[in-house]
Parts: sequence; structure tokens; C-alpha cells
Amino acid sequence: ELKVEQNPLFLSMQEGKNYTIYCNYSTTSDRLYWYRQDPGKSLESLFVLLSNGAVKQEGRLMASLDTKARLSTLHITAAVHDLSATYFCAVVFYGGSQGNLIFGKGTKLSVKP
Amino acid sequence: GAVVSQHPSRVICKSGTSVKIECRSLDFQATTMFWYRQFPKQSLMLMATSNEGSKATYEQGVEKDKFLINHASLTLSTLTVTSAHPEDSSFYICSASSGLLSYEQYFGPGTRLTVT
Repeated sequence: ELKVEQNPLFLSMQEGKNYTIYCNYSTTSDRLYWYRQDPGKSLESLFVLLSNGAVKQEGRLMASLDTKARLSTLHITAAVHDLSATYFCAVVFYGGSQGNLIFGKGTKLSVKP
Repeated sequence: GAVVSQHPSRVICKSGTSVKIECRSLDFQATTMFWYRQFPKQSLMLMATSNEGSKATYEQGVEKDKFLINHASLTLSTLTVTSAHPEDSSFYICSASSGLLSYEQYFGPGTRLTVT
């Protein structure tokens, strides 16, 4: 069964603190996405990770991919209130002619002053 | 680039009526479009995949006669929810991809459907 599991599902942080969100997946894939969703909005693409060992950084967010462990992490550095949102990871499944995205359940991040 | 629009952004309809949602790729040709449904506080669930000019492929548990998908052109796909019921109330999001070798999906802004 195809599974994408995120941990934790809820995260309450204080501003200035660091934390990591984990994304484990059960299927072979070499393409993983991280998205941000604000309440009532659609998805905003943050990162696409294409190969084992890939690391990408944008501002206070850094994402990495270990395809052998089937694990991706999204690290938050010195959190600020503006990062409050729900974060999804999604893995491309190559079951058909067109890769389908399998989403994790999402991690709701709340950054408090 | 790679902008996808949806219309309407919000719609309220009465139980038993049908409602159509449009998804357009504005600056690229989308050979494949995807329709997702998201219930409150849940993740996105893929409903169906459609390729231009052919029948949509529905995910298990999604009624193809209830959720009619048409992908008549390379820039437009429509989702029609027929005989809507309150349990169909959800956030519907489409995405578009430009080709078989490109797995990149570009997401629309979503449509909030409320069935009363």
C-alpha cells in the first residue's frame, strides 16, 4: 500500500526556535515535493527534491531527501509567525503513464510569539 | 509562468442540483489535468486524472457518473458535480501538467463548494 506519513501532524512552536518535520514514504520514488497551504487557500510549492542527498534552502526553511531511507525532512530555523501554515509533503508515484502525487496528511504549524 | 486558474472560487448550490467547476492553464498547454478534493483539516485526495481528448481515469471509490470530467482542450478541464448532496461540500483543487515526461503539477487556487 502506498503511504506517505508526516510527523508530527501538529506543531506549536515559539518564535526563534528550530524544529524538523519528517516525511516517510513507502514507495520507490526519486521526486518529492513540499507544499505550504494557508487557510482557505490552495497549495504553494516550496521545494522539489529530485535525487538522493538533495538539499534545498529558502529563507528559514531547508528540505532534504534520502531516497534510500525513503525520508525527507523540512527543517525550520528560527521560526517566525509568518511561517504558520499547514505543510504537506508529496511523493510522485510512477504507477501509470503519468506520475501521480501521493500526499501526506500535512503538518499544521503554529508559531507563537 | 505556469499559471492555473479555477472558476468559480466559491459556489453555493442546493441539494440535487449540478455545479460545474472550470480549470484552465493560462500560459501553457496541459496534456494532463488532475482533480483533487480536500475536506476540512484533511489532506488532498486525488479524484481523477484526465488527458486531453480521452476519458478520465477515476480513483477507487470516486463515482464517475457523479463527478463528470471533461478535458476537451489543452487548456481547459471541467468537473461537474451532478445531483450534489451536502456531503459533496468540499474544497476542490485542480492541477495541470504539461506533458508525459514532466511530472510537475501546477495547482489552481481551488473552488469551495457548499451544498445546502
